[in-house]
Amino acid sequence: QQPVQSPQAVILREGEDAVINCSSSKALYSVHWYRQKHGEAPVFLMILLKGGEQKGHEKISASFNEKKQQSSLYLTASQLSYSGTYFCGTPMIYNQGGKLIFGQGTELSVKP
Amino acid sequence: GAVVSQHPSWVICKSGTSVKIECRSLDFQATTMFWYRQFPKQSLMLMATSNEGSKATYEQGVEKDKFLINHASLTLSTLTVTSAHPEDSSFYICSASLAGGPSTQYFGPGTRLTVL
Repeated sequence: QQPVQSPQAVILREGEDAVINCSSSKALYSVHWYRQKHGEAPVFLMILLKGGEQKGHEKISASFNEKKQQSSLYLTASQLSYSGTYFCGTPMIYNQGGKLIFGQGTELSVKP
Repeated sequence: GAVVSQHPSWVICKSGTSVKIECRSLDFQATTMFWYRQFPKQSLMLMATSNEGSKATYEQGVEKDKFLINHASLTLSTLTVTSAHPEDSSFYICSASLAGGPSTQYFGPGTRLTVL
């Protein structure tokens, strides 16, 4: 079952914050976040493995709530380079050799 | 580290011809590689899992005789689109995961296929 992302799209001004959510109807064992720019392949951002885990890199961070079966990606003080489509990916079945199923994506546009 | 390359970056072919796309892990060995197809403004759709030394595992609805996958070595997997038709036009992306890792996938740059 494909995880559900919200919102589908968001437009920001440079310096504003955004939150992208990813939720699943099935148990989540890990959540992977990727960003894809137009015409390019997805780029790995981070992986969250444990319930309650939070991670961050510079001004992009994420949290994982295993009980609620959801993860959120936080982009603070957004930059123009943050524009792109963000995907969350979750394992299809626990430990099934890395197969991921991706959400439908959230298109983020950062304007100057 | 964890760099994946694809070749070619784009290809235009006539209907009925076959097209081969290569996916290589440049600085690591990948026992498992994945092939995705992505239509404009849509998500990544997993087509098949490519396992080194064994047959690929195809997702439901993907024709294995049309999309031939060969994983000849720990660093190379190929996808051949046989008898391509215009509806096969898409962005094809491969990914590879590190053996023993938490299934993080590293994506190749993708191949844009246009069938005329």
